[in-house]
Amino acid sequence: DTAVSQTPKYLVTQMGNDKSIKCEQNLGHDTMYWYKQDSKKFLKIMFSYNNKELIINETVPNRFSPKSPDKAHLNLHINSLELGDSAVYFCASSQERTVGTDTQYFGPGTRLTVL
Amino acid sequence: AQSVTQPDIHITVSEGASLELRCNYSYGATPYLFWYVQSPGQGLQLLLKYFSGDTLVQGIKGFEAEFKRSQSSFNLRKPSVHWSDAAEYFCAVSGFKTIFGAGTRLFVKA
Repeated sequence: DTAVSQTPKYLVTQMGNDKSIKCEQNLGHDTMYWYKQDSKKFLKIMFSYNNKELIINETVPNRFSPKSPDKAHLNLHINSLELGDSAVYFCASSQERTVGTDTQYFGPGTRLTVL
Repeated sequence: AQSVTQPDIHITVSEGASLELRCNYSYGATPYLFWYVQSPGQGLQLLLKYFSGDTLVQGIKGFEAEFKRSQSSFNLRKPSVHWSDAAEYFCAVSGFKTIFGAGTRLFVKA
């Protein structure tokens, strides 16, 4: 069983389009995250949700909107895609109620390419 | 402010040789420290973590790390590297949010 899954694994799209990436965890964790990894492998947190509540919202463009329908799912919707959005996006989850103090379990990543 | 520095962008080690990957952090209080490994095309996997207690931490796959408060360091070590250890290694420090270092790419030569 996959602990943290993301769909799709690859996403190629044109500038200006709107796309979504889905994430699901079956670990029963309370906290979920979205990270962006750029071409130099630099990993930066974007958002964190704890039990469906937004906890961390880094300075990302408001074209990015996370949605957590329940604590097992955290989706990422991106409007008006730009070339600079090309990256690998990782979803992660952790058990703790206090964000940042526990092991994070990462999904396999979604490679987004904007043409 | 939290920060993590991994001074080595890449390291090449012969198979069977020992390995040390450096990590320096900046954090106001006692940090939560982590080492993660990322194999090509994969997500990150935890190798080990330090919260408190014994400053020498054992992890999976034969890795260990030592927390040195005086040096603000949390270096990762392995006594004998295997070819399958070739990957990207990330040090992370966590308070309210987790900050990752830029990563060190490990190459293993036969």
